[in-house]
Amino acid sequence: EIVLTQSPATLSLSPGERATLSCRASQSVSSYLAWYQQKPGQAPRLLIYDASNRATGIPARFSGSGSGTDFTLTISSLEPEDFAVYYCRQRSNWPFTFGPGTKVDIK
Amino acid sequence: QVQLVESGGGLVKPGGSLRLSCAASGFTFSDYYMSWIRQAPGKGVEWVSYISSSGSMYYADSVKGRFTISRDNAKNSLYLQMNSLRAEDTAVYYCARDAPGIVAAVWGQGTTVTVSS
Repeated sequence: EIVLTQSPATLSLSPGERATLSCRASQSVSSYLAWYQQKPGQAPRLLIYDASNRATGIPARFSGSGSGTDFTLTISSLEPEDFAVYYCRQRSNWPFTFGPGTKVDIK
Repeated sequence: QVQLVESGGGLVKPGGSLRLSCAASGFTFSDYYMSWIRQAPGKGVEWVSYISSSGSMYYADSVKGRFTISRDNAKNSLYLQMNSLRAEDTAVYYCARDAPGIVAAVWGQGTTVTVSS
């Protein structure tokens, strides 16, 4: 099973700041990595798929990069609605797995 | 628009069974791979099971032999039969649909399963 590790566990930032979230895989997942956002009481929402492709309706301030084992989600300028938990997820090998999440909270 | 509505969750005793359903609308259900994904309270997210459009099934090791995924394309519905339930199966269970080339692109709102005596 491919294990995904996310860092940091919590990121405390202010609106308008840049957020950089990391996801590392225990073995190569090629570009088969996605990012989701989850707010309390809601299902995860797909933001980025295949490492760098924004899902439909996702604002341009969200961007993804990386390949192999190291990936980054960048939020260029945090909006109030961006404070949430972010998960990475791989679909390279079954079982597909999620990382433990990074919580972005308000400083 | 695409809609996924889960139902069937509830409180069940350890060793008991439940059947979850996911009613799909707004798309041609038979064309899409579907998943059950769960999230234990305050915990991360775990893929439970995955079924292809042709009916090939995949399971997490934690549920293999206990859970069965199925689909009824005529009824636009996805199911998860859960047997021999354990306390660690307590979670919100989400139904999710792929998009072309995108796994788990669209999610339902979830149904809560609580396994407790």
